[in-house]
Amino acid sequence: KAGVTQTPRYLIKTRGQQVTLSCSPISGHRSVSWYQQTPGQGLQFLFEYFSETQRNKGNFPGRFSGRQFSNSRSEMNVSTLELGDSALYLCASSFNREGGYGYTFGSGTRLTVV
Amino acid sequence: TQLLEQSPQFLSIQEGENLTVYCNSSSVFSSLQWYRQEPGEGPVLLVTVVTGGEVKKLKRLTFQFGDARKDSSLHITAAQPGDTGLYLCAGSNSGGSNYKLTFGKGTLLTVNP
Repeated sequence: KAGVTQTPRYLIKTRGQQVTLSCSPISGHRSVSWYQQTPGQGLQFLFEYFSETQRNKGNFPGRFSGRQFSNSRSEMNVSTLELGDSALYLCASSFNREGGYGYTFGSGTRLTVV
Repeated sequence: TQLLEQSPQFLSIQEGENLTVYCNSSSVFSSLQWYRQEPGEGPVLLVTVVTGGEVKKLKRLTFQFGDARKDSSLHITAAQPGDTGLYLCAGSNSGGSNYKLTFGKGTLLTVNP
């Protein structure tokens, strides 16, 4: 079956712009999470959605937002981009409601802010 | 705030050697997962351990969950160049609003032929 699909794979944006990243989970998976990965901080949790509801949010500024659609696809948006937002953004989906048995990650979107 | 400390941060060994990676926390997790990540790709789940004291084997990889469910280890026997990658441990807690993984910063393993 198809894995988690993230688009686009690479993005270059200018400071102050906004960006939208997309994630299509594995068919049947209703939990979708987003993580930011940087060399200094590792993987940090952004937010998690289940059945279109945000159930948890990490410690990121309000410029980071997300949503989930009825088909479980998810998007995240970053407004007023800063240089420090350059990172690999990873989406993960899980069949299990609580995700305790493992997540399947996409290949990520590499965002570069210049 | 729950934290996971991984050690060592970097490990470079020769093919055929054994190694152990550690993942420690002061907090209890209901489950702990190990992932391997290769450059330019997302992490791939290797194993999930749920029960304190649990040991799981995946070919040459052995995973152990501490009795108190606060720590875990990954042991690789006779490492091969194909084992090269970033190994990440991640803790999960069920219930409440804690639907997330807490990741360690990873162990970058290089196995030289």
